[in-house]
Amino acid sequence: KAGVTQTPRYLIKTRGQQVTLSCSPISGHRSVSWYQQTPGQGLQFLFEYFSETQRNKGNFPGRFSGRQFSNSRSEMNVSTLELGDSALYLCASSRQGANYGYTFGSGTRLTVV
Amino acid sequence: AQTVTQSQPEMSVQEAETVTLSCTYDTSESDYYLFWYKQPPSRQMILVIRQEAYKQQNATENRFSVNFQKAAKSFSLKISDSQLGDAAMYFCAYGRSNFGNEKLTFGTGTRLTIIP
Repeated sequence: KAGVTQTPRYLIKTRGQQVTLSCSPISGHRSVSWYQQTPGQGLQFLFEYFSETQRNKGNFPGRFSGRQFSNSRSEMNVSTLELGDSALYLCASSRQGANYGYTFGSGTRLTVV
Repeated sequence: AQTVTQSQPEMSVQEAETVTLSCTYDTSESDYYLFWYKQPPSRQMILVIRQEAYKQQNATENRFSVNFQKAAKSFSLKISDSQLGDAAMYFCAYGRSNFGNEKLTFGTGTRLTIIP
């Protein structure tokens, strides 16, 4: 079966711009979570969506937002990009939530210049 | 807040040998979940093993097994008969048992190198 698909794989943006990342979960998975991975901070939880509702949110500024559609596909948006937003953004899907075990996508590498 | 500590930034092992990766965590809760995830150069995190804290029995998945010491808050991963494909970053992760409010707290990772 198809895995978790994240697009695009790589992205270069300029400070101040905004960006939208996309994630298509495994069929039947209603939970989609997003994580930011950087060399300095490691893996940090951004938010989780379940059946189109944000169920959980990490400690990130309001510039980071997301949504989930009725087909469980999810997008995350970062507005007013800062250099520190450069990171690998990982999407993870699960049938019910994190504790059941995630299936991750290959991530989107965002570089802010 | 829960914290996860992986004290070995890098480890190496000879092919076909056994290696153990360490993980400790801090929590005041009695019910929770623990995981080991592997991240090869392809970047995709892969679930290696999952442990439910209320289960005494250590989880195993083929060549991968854990030593779960709840009182010591320790959760080490043993890889037997190491293979070249095991080379990756390994992350230990903690999940609160709080349905509807689940997220994972990850350790900083251990880079495992397999020596042919």
